[in-house]
Amino acid sequence: GNSVTQMEGPVTLSEEAFLTINCTYTATGYPSLFWYVQYPGEGLQLLLKATKADDKGSNKGFEATYRKETTSFHLEKGSVQVSDSAVYFCALNAGGTSYGKLTFGQGTILTVHP
Amino acid sequence: EAQVTQNPRYLITVTGKKLTVTCSQNMNHEYMSWYRQDPGLGLRQIYYSMNVEVTDKGDVPEGYKVSRKEKRNFPLILESPSPNQTSLYFCASSLSPDRVNEQFFGPGTRLTVL
Repeated sequence: GNSVTQMEGPVTLSEEAFLTINCTYTATGYPSLFWYVQYPGEGLQLLLKATKADDKGSNKGFEATYRKETTSFHLEKGSVQVSDSAVYFCALNAGGTSYGKLTFGQGTILTVHP
Repeated sequence: EAQVTQNPRYLITVTGKKLTVTCSQNMNHEYMSWYRQDPGLGLRQIYYSMNVEVTDKGDVPEGYKVSRKEKRNFPLILESPSPNQTSLYFCASSLSPDRVNEQFFGPGTRLTVL
């Protein structure tokens, strides 16, 4: 079946530090890959996406590249801010028999200190 | 304002007492879904609905029921809640199943079953 594995958290950084949150996946076919962000007390919001191999998704200074050879979609940001403190979820949509279905990783809590 | 609303936001109940969590969207979306979020497990899909009168099981449907009598509403029913259903629940909707990555999420319902 389809699955998503994220790096263990929580992650604690100082403002302006470099961020990487690892994400690897297992899926049949050619899934689309996503990162979602959940701010405290809110629902999830789509942060960025990539629909085919070597695509780079980017938004709000965050980037992730779809690497088919390593089945990975790591999230990066060059300089984090306190306002980036949130829970980040990697997810995939495999299509086919999984039409209309998202599979989520376990989430990574990010805390950024001033 | 485009939104997904859930009620109640917080609920404490006792084992076996039937409850319903309502979900409503004002965007004329075809696709709606319920997830539960548990620490270390990410979001897991409970049920989803492709359109009115069309519902299907997600990954963790046991102990839950849903209905989709109108396009805008997708209530989640727990006929006989148990403590292992203590969780944070999210309703989500998207224009169509193939745009599931663009889901709007509700604010969440935190349920505690004693």
